[in-house]
Amino acid sequence: DQQVKQNSPSLSVQEGRISILNCDYTNSMFDYFLWYKKYPAEGPTFLISISSIKDKNEDGRFTVFLNKSAKHLSLHIVPSQPGDSAVYFCAASFSGGGADGLTFGKGTHLIIQP
Amino acid sequence: AAGVIQSPRHLIKEKRETATLKCYPIPRHDTVYWYQQGPGQDPQFLISFYEKMQSDKGSIPDRFSAQQFSDYHSELNMSSLELGDSALYFCASSPSGSSYNEQFFGPGTRLTVL
Repeated sequence: DQQVKQNSPSLSVQEGRISILNCDYTNSMFDYFLWYKKYPAEGPTFLISISSIKDKNEDGRFTVFLNKSAKHLSLHIVPSQPGDSAVYFCAASFSGGGADGLTFGKGTHLIIQP
Repeated sequence: AAGVIQSPRHLIKEKRETATLKCYPIPRHDTVYWYQQGPGQDPQFLISFYEKMQSDKGSIPDRFSAQQFSDYHSELNMSSLELGDSALYFCASSPSGSSYNEQFFGPGTRLTVL
């Protein structure tokens, strides 16, 4: 049973426009949500995170929105750049400060077109 | 900045053999996590250690074991290897007290079982 779902396997966006990647989760006990970016042959790179007590967190071109009632979060990248082309994983965690494993979605392959 | 180091980067084994993967966390990170990523799959959490004690356990087969040493490096031992164990194995580390459970991943070890 996939507790974190990314329903779009791929997304193509023009350079300079906004990229919106979506993620849904089923377990209401998740407290923290994270986005990772992954290039081929490399490990996932941490991008941005959000606590369940917030609805928005922003870091430069990256903003994550959390809608707890809908169990939905999204990552906005503005403006999109060619180097943003990668696979993006949404991940969820239980209470922070511990050593809990992350539960990942299956990823969305973002392609930025020139 | 120093990152998580994993060795070896590539490993080829025969069925029923054993394998040992090593992980060296980022300096001053005391928590280590292991993940398995099959082809086209999301990373699956295996096990984590905090201060040399097992902290959380995911879908780790009984044929696998792991430990964390006094210098905080960790080893994942895999015995009676099966074809289905062929995957990318990621190690991640985090500092204690990380409020969002941000985990920083190594480049991975690609294990191929023939």
